[in-house]
Amino acid sequence: QQQVKQSPQSLIVQKGGISIINCAYENTAFDYFPWYQQFPGKGPALLIAIRPDVSEKKEGRFTISFNKSAKQFSLHIMDSQPGDSATYFCAASMEYNNDMRFGAGTRLTVKP
Amino acid sequence: GAGVSQSPSNKVTEKGKDVELRCDPISGHTALYWYRQSLGQGLEFLIYFQGNSAPDKSGLPSDRFSAERTGGSVSTLTIQRTQQEDSAVYLCASSRPPGRAGELFFGEGSRLTVL
Repeated sequence: QQQVKQSPQSLIVQKGGISIINCAYENTAFDYFPWYQQFPGKGPALLIAIRPDVSEKKEGRFTISFNKSAKQFSLHIMDSQPGDSATYFCAASMEYNNDMRFGAGTRLTVKP
Repeated sequence: GAGVSQSPSNKVTEKGKDVELRCDPISGHTALYWYRQSLGQGLEFLIYFQGNSAPDKSGLPSDRFSAERTGGSVSTLTIQRTQQEDSAVYLCASSRPPGRAGELFFGEGSRLTVL
């Protein structure tokens, strides 16, 4: 049972472009929505996270947009760089138990 | 150590053998998770431990898979009678006590190859 659905599966962007990855969730009890970044041979690491009391959160070139009514959230990477090439996972969990569920991942390639 | 430690980093075994994968979480983290990542695939949830609560085993793919967490710290994931489809990277993560959902800290994984 996939509780978080992520798209696209892979994404190729030119250097300087905008990368957009989308996620949708089913469980309205989820109240924490992080994005993780994974480089080959490494474990995923937290990139940025949002709670549903705000519609957008920005950290440097990375922005999460959150639409509570649609149960969707997305990651935008502005001015994408080759060093951003990695696999990105969205996730969702509930405050009271932190039982984290992940999307299927998006493999991002930024071409120089 | 400062991070989540997993061992072995690589394990090659023959079909039908049992394997044990170990995870040492960050000290003080009450939540521990196991995920499986097949080549080029996403993170498949396996099992979740939170403090002294009964673990959420809903992600274990078959009864050949089991996990335990002793003393609320170190965890062992055991796969009995391994099959070739068990080949994957097994990732462990830990997080702080609940009450405010937060960051998972991942180890670098144990790569299992079943011949």
